Formats: sequence, structure tokens, C-alpha cells
Amino acid sequence: EDQVTQSPEALRLQEGESSSLNCSYTVSGLRGLFWYRQDPGKGPEFLFTLYSAGEEKEKERLKATLTKKESFLHITAPKPEDSATYLCAVQAQGGGFKTIFGAGTRLFVKA
Amino acid sequence: DGGITQSPKYLFRKEGQNVTLSCEQNLNHDAMYWYRQDPGQGLRLIYYSQIVNDFQKGDIAEGYSVSREKKESFPLTVTSAQKNPTAFYLCATKGTSAIGSYNEQFFGPGTRLTVL
Repeated sequence: EDQVTQSPEALRLQEGESSSLNCSYTVSGLRGLFWYRQDPGKGPEFLFTLYSAGEEKEKERLKATLTKKESFLHITAPKPEDSATYLCAVQAQGGGFKTIFGAGTRLFVKA
Repeated sequence: DGGITQSPKYLFRKEGQNVTLSCEQNLNHDAMYWYRQDPGQGLRLIYYSQIVNDFQKGDIAEGYSVSREKKESFPLTVTSAQKNPTAFYLCATKGTSAIGSYNEQFFGPGTRLTVL
């Protein structure tokens, strides 16, 4: 069964304290892995798409990487405005138009 | 101004009542989706539509219904048969690239439904 697991469930950082969020996936064949940011009471905002192992993408303080089993979202020198829930999702081979979402990691950055 | 709109932002339902959530898009995307989000859980797919006048059940379709009469619109009805409808409902769309439908989904702002 295709599955996406995110860890940790919650992460508390001091401003400037770099860290990483993990997304482990089990799929029959990966078509794409997506990262989203979601603020409380709002819809998810698209961040990155990764298609193959070894691929990396960056946006401001965020960098997403992909291996055959997991993806990491690295946050460098975070600021309080980076506080949000980060969602990982995968589209699997044979999954048609369905995308499987993880439960998310809630990030809190304290000034 | 391109995007996805959902209305209302907040909705309250009484026992035994059907309610309809609106989703409109002007991105010219073919595919549209409805998800339900509950605390501590990943988004769960309710229904999806790849083309006008066609839609498919997702993982948790029981107690919900949809229609796709126009490309721009994909309304979701939460019926009285849905026993636990209190949740945050998200509508999403996806376009199609030259390499196939491997694209990311884009989400609307959501509707929070509460049962009184």
C-alpha cells in the first residue's frame, strides 16, 4: 500500500537554528513528490516538485532533496514567519490522478 | 486575477441538513479535487474530476456528492448521510503538461464546516 510518513510531528526552533523535516514514502513507483506550506485556516501553498532521486530545489531559506525512500526539507536560519505546517505528498505510478498526503510537520520558530 | 475561490469560508450545518460548498477556478485546469482535512491526519480525497461531466469517487466518498457541469466549477454537497462532517474542506486543481499529468495541485483557501 502506498504510504507517506512525515517526521517529526512538531518541531520547535529558535530563530536562526537550522534543521530538517523528513518525508518517508513507500510507493510502487514514484511519479512526483511535492512539498506544500500551510498556514492555520488556509489552503496549502505549493513549494516544490521533485521527480527523481538526487534532485534538489531551493527557495529562499528552504531546500528540498529527494532519495529513493525519502525527502528532506532543509530550513536554513529560519525566521518566525517560517512557522507553518509543511505537507509532503506523492503521486505514485498506477495511482491515476490521486495524490497521497502525509499528516504534516508543524514548525514553530521563536524569535 | 487567476486562482481558486471557495465559498463560504465558514459554514454551519444542522442535523439532517444538506449543504453545498462552492469551488470555482479560472486557471483553465482540467482536473479538480475535493479533500477533507482533519487534525493530525493527511488530506483525504473525497471526489475528483478529470474532465467536464465526469467524476470519480475518492477514498471517503460516502455521504458526499459532486457535479461537474462546467470546467470552472466543482461544487461539493455534504448530505445528511455523512455522519461526521465537521472538518476543513479543500478544493484543488491540476493542469496538464506536455509530459502528462504529473503536475502539482493548487489549492483554494478552504471552507470550515461545523455541525451544530
